[in-house]
Amino acid sequence: EPEVTQTPSHQVTQMGQEVILRCVPISNHLYFYWYRQILGQKVEFLVSFYNNEISEKSEIFDDQFSVERPDGSNFTLKIRSTKLEDSAMYFCASSAHSGISSYEQYFGPGTRLTVT
Amino acid sequence: SQQGEEDPQALSIQEGENATMNCSYKTSINNLQWYRQNSGRGLVHLILIRSNEREKHSGRLRVTLDTSKKSSSLLITASRAADTASYFCATVRFGDNNDMRFGAGTRLTVKP
Repeated sequence: EPEVTQTPSHQVTQMGQEVILRCVPISNHLYFYWYRQILGQKVEFLVSFYNNEISEKSEIFDDQFSVERPDGSNFTLKIRSTKLEDSAMYFCASSAHSGISSYEQYFGPGTRLTVT
Repeated sequence: SQQGEEDPQALSIQEGENATMNCSYKTSINNLQWYRQNSGRGLVHLILIRSNEREKHSGRLRVTLDTSKKSSSLLITASRAADTASYFCATVRFGDNNDMRFGAGTRLTVKP
């Protein structure tokens, strides 16, 4: 069964450094998402992406964050200058469709980001 | 922003018993989805229920949706120790780009 994959599984970085989290969505999916989950807290929506542009972003997704689909398979989340509070599990998700059709999202296993 | 809120926050039952988890939300929705998360792992999609549906079944799972009360419930029948996990409801607001908002989750422990 096709699945969303994410790399690395765990990333440790120093405060102020840039990190890039990578995701490979399911191949025929068109809609891509990033979520984060701070340890012990709820999953929070960050951004959705379709047709090579951001569809929607939350208030968490500030200028320090950016997303890109550099080729036909990868979907990346970049944090330019990491802060301690960026430490969280970051989940990528993809779906075949969106809008009124209401298709389910498939989640990757997550990347645990630790900022020291 | 709209978010689902689950209750109870934690639920502990014996294997074989049924588990019921509830979710409430604040605004009109397009659909509501339930996910399971094993400790430290990714989210697994369980069921999607659309706003014009009232009940859905999948194996031992039964989900109801009451849009007049803005609430949903997830029932797991004949629970097993392997059902131990956190369960989240997530809502998609009508008109949104399928962007989901998650509740805080219910931590279910099924004791063998």
